Amino acid sequence: QKEVEQDPGPLSVPEGAIVSLNCTYSNSAFQYFMWYRQYSRKGPELLMYTYSSGNKEDGRFTAQVDKSSKYISLFIRDSQPSDSATYLCAIHTNAGKSTFGDGTTLTVKP
Amino acid sequence: SQTIHQWPATLVQPVGSPLSLECTVEGTSNPNLYWYRQAAGRGLQLLFYSVGIGQISSEVPQNLSASRPQDRQFILSSKKLLLSDSGFYLCAARRGRGIRGEQFFGPGTRLTVL
Repeated sequence: QKEVEQDPGPLSVPEGAIVSLNCTYSNSAFQYFMWYRQYSRKGPELLMYTYSSGNKEDGRFTAQVDKSSKYISLFIRDSQPSDSATYLCAIHTNAGKSTFGDGTTLTVKP
Repeated sequence: SQTIHQWPATLVQPVGSPLSLECTVEGTSNPNLYWYRQAAGRGLQLLFYSVGIGQISSEVPQNLSASRPQDRQFILSSKKLLLSDSGFYLCAARRGRGIRGEQFFGPGTRLTVL
């Protein structure tokens, strides 16, 4: 079993839709949770991070963590064509390493 | 602000040839450095990480090696490339210490082994 499982996608939505991207993890030692966005043929860029259960908002993006269920989500409101990218969840331990999901490719159609 | 440079951006190499990919980091000192490989449509596979000059940890047995000759320089090498070495290679640095572990990435090198 992988340490981090991400909903595979691909996902295609119309502009303005609410998008939900999800990951589960198996190791309760994971303490720090991140979402990266990766445009085609580019390196990933950090989108959001959180370390506690609950919600964290940043503009149209909300990161949600449920440590009891080992479940993390990223919600995108009012999705735009510029949000079309691959989204990677990543989970970090104090050991200095991150474990990444395989990514979900999102296409937002105008 | 921190910046990672990687070169070359793309590379096509024959099977059996050597490889050297370079990564340099600006805007931070004594970072943790990482090499990842990303296969098409897949997540990031950690290959090597380094907590300091000359300190390299290998995550998976493979045909590759890494070196860190300077604080902000990280090199990925191979003596003889295999077809399976093709992929998108990303260098990353970790910002800060302790529990906060977000990494920032370079632009990547796309390697095709023929």
